[in-house]
Amino acid sequence: DIQMTQSPSALSASVGDRVTITCRASQSISPWVAWYQRKPGRAPKLLIYKASSLESGVSSRFSGSGSETEFTLTISSLQPDDFATYYCQQYNVYQTTFGQGTKLEIK
Amino acid sequence: EVQLVESGGGLVQPGGSLRLSCAASGFTFSDHYMDWVRQAPGKGLEWVGRIRNKANSYGIDYAASVKGRFIISRDDSKNSLYLQMNSLKTDDTAVYYCARVRLGPVELKTFDIWGQGTMVTVSS
Repeated sequence: DIQMTQSPSALSASVGDRVTITCRASQSISPWVAWYQRKPGRAPKLLIYKASSLESGVSSRFSGSGSETEFTLTISSLQPDDFATYYCQQYNVYQTTFGQGTKLEIK
Repeated sequence: EVQLVESGGGLVQPGGSLRLSCAASGFTFSDHYMDWVRQAPGKGLEWVGRIRNKANSYGIDYAASVKGRFIISRDDSKNSLYLQMNSLKTDDTAVYYCARVRLGPVELKTFDIWGQGTMVTVSS
């Protein structure tokens, strides 16, 4: 199975900060990487798919990049509503794997 | 309204069995691949498995951690997805979610609809 190692596991930041979350794959993968935002008691919300494509309706403050084994999610200017847990996901025809999650907290 | 509703969770002893259901509404269930994802207490999301649609021969894939113990099935006439869990272990304790896979080419096959989850506790 492909493993996704996400870092950091937790991050404290302030409103207006720029933050970056990284996922490293255990092997070179196609750019089928997605990023989700998860708030307590809520279903995960898709932010980015195919590594860098912004899901419809998602703020342009969110962006994704990467290839091969390293992928990043960047939030350009944190807003109060952005404090949540973020997960990366690699997906292909046969399986999918999530990263361990990054809890983004208010500093 | 597009909706997924899981049921069937509960407390079961190690080695026991449990069957989860996921009722779909508001969309053409038969068109979609459907997945099960779980989250153990204090842990992240873990993919459990997938069942494809009829056009793809209802092909099924499982995570290594559940292969040989869990069985995914679906009944398109009832708009329902199922997860039969056998030989349960304490490590299987988690909230179990069903999730809809978006239609389209591989690049779009992310999860776009999730259920609210059902809790499974494996304990003696």
